[in-house]
Amino acid sequence: SQTIHQWPATLVQPVGSPLSLECTVEGTSNPNLYWYRQAAGRGLQLLFYSVGIGQISSEVPQNLSASRPQDRQFILSSKKLLLSDSGFYLCAWSAGQSNEQFFGPGTRLTVL
Amino acid sequence: DAKTTQPPSMDCAEGRAANLPCNHSTISGNEYVYWYRQIHSQGPQYIIHGLKNNETNEMASLIITEDRKSSTLILPHATLRDTAVYYCIVRRYFNQFYFGTGTSLTVIP
Repeated sequence: SQTIHQWPATLVQPVGSPLSLECTVEGTSNPNLYWYRQAAGRGLQLLFYSVGIGQISSEVPQNLSASRPQDRQFILSSKKLLLSDSGFYLCAWSAGQSNEQFFGPGTRLTVL
Repeated sequence: DAKTTQPPSMDCAEGRAANLPCNHSTISGNEYVYWYRQIHSQGPQYIIHGLKNNETNEMASLIITEDRKSSTLILPHATLRDTAVYYCIVRRYFNQFYFGTGTSLTVIP
């Protein structure tokens, strides 16, 4: 069966510090991978998606970047965090043309 | 993109049917309607999806109007564990989903 992992579960970082959130998927090959952010009291915003290694599409201009160094690894990064980067970050995967997206447990980021 | 409109919150008595509406008046012919739900501090969970016909699975039923401009998610016998935020989503491409603010459903004992 397929599983998706995210870490860390929670993170508190000062403004201006770097960020690296990792997401890995097990039990499937060539997944489509996604990063979402959910700010407090708001819906999920799609940040990035990837259909293959090294292929990243950005949905909104922002202070973040994403990379996919391996088939089942998706990384969300920032060089300098802003207060507005606080939120709940979710990684998701889907298989090919599948209709379902499967979400990870999420990382709650607080920037102080 | 076809955008969706949902009421921000709803209450439902335990054991009764919960009917969650969604408007998607600008939906195009090849766009599917999906429903997900998110229990507090967890990742969203897939519920059901459809294109034109009504759909039913073990979790819920999806009723799509003939003109496809709106749909209703029905939880036939709501339980306390169904308390969550429910998202109605219209898919633009197979790899893109756009989530709005959803409907916060509270099931009342």
